[in-house]
Amino acid sequence: GQQLNQSPQSMFIQEGEDVSMNCTSSSIFNTWLWYKQDPGEGPVLLIALYKAGELTSNGRLTAQFGITRKDSFLNISASIPSDVGIYFCAGSYNFNKFYFGSGTKLNVKP
Amino acid sequence: EPEVTQTPSHQVTQMGQEVILRCVPISNHLYFYWYRQILGQKVEFLVSFYNNEISEKSEIFDDQFSVERPDGSNFTLKIRSTKLEDSAMYFCASRQSQETQYFGPGTRLLVL
Repeated sequence: GQQLNQSPQSMFIQEGEDVSMNCTSSSIFNTWLWYKQDPGEGPVLLIALYKAGELTSNGRLTAQFGITRKDSFLNISASIPSDVGIYFCAGSYNFNKFYFGSGTKLNVKP
Repeated sequence: EPEVTQTPSHQVTQMGQEVILRCVPISNHLYFYWYRQILGQKVEFLVSFYNNEISEKSEIFDDQFSVERPDGSNFTLKIRSTKLEDSAMYFCASRQSQETQYFGPGTRLLVL
């Protein structure tokens, strides 16, 4: 079955540092999404990617859709305390079914 | 800004009971989804729905589960006979055409 690996599982960083996380899948996707989830809440969309090679920014966040269509990364620059949370990647081939990564838990020390 | 809403926010039920989780997708969206997230784990796809039909479902979505769009605004997930392992957060999501999906706040289901 479809495997979606997200790394790292968790990160502890100082405020102001840059962060990078990535996801790889066992098969190709036609869309990659990145979400942030705070405790007890639903995932909130950060960035959506629809084309291989696409590089998209949203403020301090930048994400890329890998050329092979099997991977994506998310970068957060100059982290701040409110960046704390769990970040999930999600991918889909046909928009009917989305696979989620296991999440990257980000901790930011002020 | 329009958003997906879900009710109830929390539900406690006895094993074997039926539960219905309700969602109101964003009004002009056409594609609807249910996901679940067991505490501390990743989000898992359950089912997608379009044009009054199931588009795709996962292995988790067995005969105990059903979905319905009873009117023009609601989208429901029914679990016929709940089991302890059904305890989880259940998220509804919706999207419009090729745009991405937006999630509701979730219903926390606890089966005792």
